[in-house]
Amino acid sequence: IAGITQAPTSQILAAGRRMTLRCTQDMRHNAMYWYRQDLGLGLRLIHYSNTAGTTGKGEVPDGYSVSRANTDDFPLTLASAVPSQTSVYFCASSELTSHDYNEQFFGPGTRLTVL
Amino acid sequence: GQNIDQPTEMTATEGAIVQINCTYQTSGFNGLFWYQQHAGEAPTFLSYNVLDGLEEKGRFSSFLSRSKGYSYLLLKELQMKDSASYLCAVIDSNYQLIWGAGTKLIIKP
Repeated sequence: IAGITQAPTSQILAAGRRMTLRCTQDMRHNAMYWYRQDLGLGLRLIHYSNTAGTTGKGEVPDGYSVSRANTDDFPLTLASAVPSQTSVYFCASSELTSHDYNEQFFGPGTRLTVL
Repeated sequence: GQNIDQPTEMTATEGAIVQINCTYQTSGFNGLFWYQQHAGEAPTFLSYNVLDGLEEKGRFSSFLSRSKGYSYLLLKELQMKDSASYLCAVIDSNYQLIWGAGTKLIIKP
């Protein structure tokens, strides 16, 4: 694989179900991010991780959890899905260095519909 | 609060020039990105400005004025494939990336 992959590509989910969106990168970037993108609202950060073993909350973390057991993987879990979580979810990664900010590379996205 | 403003939609003609503006009000400033996003696809990096002035990269240029909280993306010799959304994003004082809602650019023949 090259870059960032996400799975699944799309999913229809019943409300109340648990769902994990997968994200894997092979660029050895230390920082990874999960965004949701809704029409007219732009990208909103859900959770992020600056390095393996650490995670942080973004702008809209409620209802979502993440883990970062290693450098490559950054799964996003919806513990009990609700219709307002219907969105397109993008995973991204970047090389984060002190006092410097590098571009983020995005995965292809997961289109999630919660009914 | 933090705010980034971009026009929602713009229309331009193939072969012409278009300027997409971005104004921002953020807690601190550590740089500004422009990304391109085609419909149904992921955003891809276009440019990064941290100092005032114009950065040119082929048909695309990006300008920054930190004192005015203002940037623009200039696209020259427009091609049909430039039809996409253009996202402005600012790095704030906490090194968080704040995203604008994007400008949808429609190119007509």
